[in-house]
Amino acid sequence: AQKITQTQPGMFVQEKEAVTLDCTYDTSDPSYGLFWYKQPSSGEMIFLIYQGSYDQQNATEGRYSLNFQKARKSANLVISASQLGDSAMYFCAMRVRASGGSYIPTFGRGTSLIVHP
Amino acid sequence: GAGVSQSPSNKVTEKGKDVELRCDPISGHTALYWYRQSLGQGLEFLIYFQGNSAPDKSGLPSDRFSAERTGGSVSTLTIQRTQQEDSAVYLCASSLVSGPSIYNEQFFGPGTRLTVL
Repeated sequence: AQKITQTQPGMFVQEKEAVTLDCTYDTSDPSYGLFWYKQPSSGEMIFLIYQGSYDQQNATEGRYSLNFQKARKSANLVISASQLGDSAMYFCAMRVRASGGSYIPTFGRGTSLIVHP
Repeated sequence: GAGVSQSPSNKVTEKGKDVELRCDPISGHTALYWYRQSLGQGLEFLIYFQGNSAPDKSGLPSDRFSAERTGGSVSTLTIQRTQQEDSAVYLCASSLVSGPSIYNEQFFGPGTRLTVL
């Protein structure tokens, strides 16, 4: 069975500092995609960054980068130069082919990030 | 707008009543997903539609839950004989197609907050 684990229920970071949010995954399928989403208090889910299992380089999107360590099955999100607006829940998700043939995303339980001024 | 829309945004109902939640996906998106998010929790997959294929209902928690998608577009999630434990935010997402790649990025609606008294 596919599984996503986010071990940090809550994280605190000082404004302008960098922070790493952990995500480990478990799948035996060689083809999968990893996604990170941000959910502010308003409730909307905002896509941040994607890493494909065959991608050779770590994904980057502005202040977001993904530290992809395939052998360790980890896909940690790094946010550089934290801003107050980064305070939100962050979810790691994996998409891999399920036994029935469909690609059902599996989400972690999330990490609550609070950025202090 | 061109995003995923959901209605109603809030629904308060009495235990035992039936409710219908609606999702309008992005035009042209063939994949549609329903999730449930209880307070402070991650996303729980409910059901998935892909084109004209039979839906993947593996996440539905009981036979009180059902969903349909008419004409490959609008979807309705129905909860019969609601219980207090059904109280949650119900999120709908759509993607262009289904699969592990970035082209399958999910776009989420704002959610429907269901409260069962």
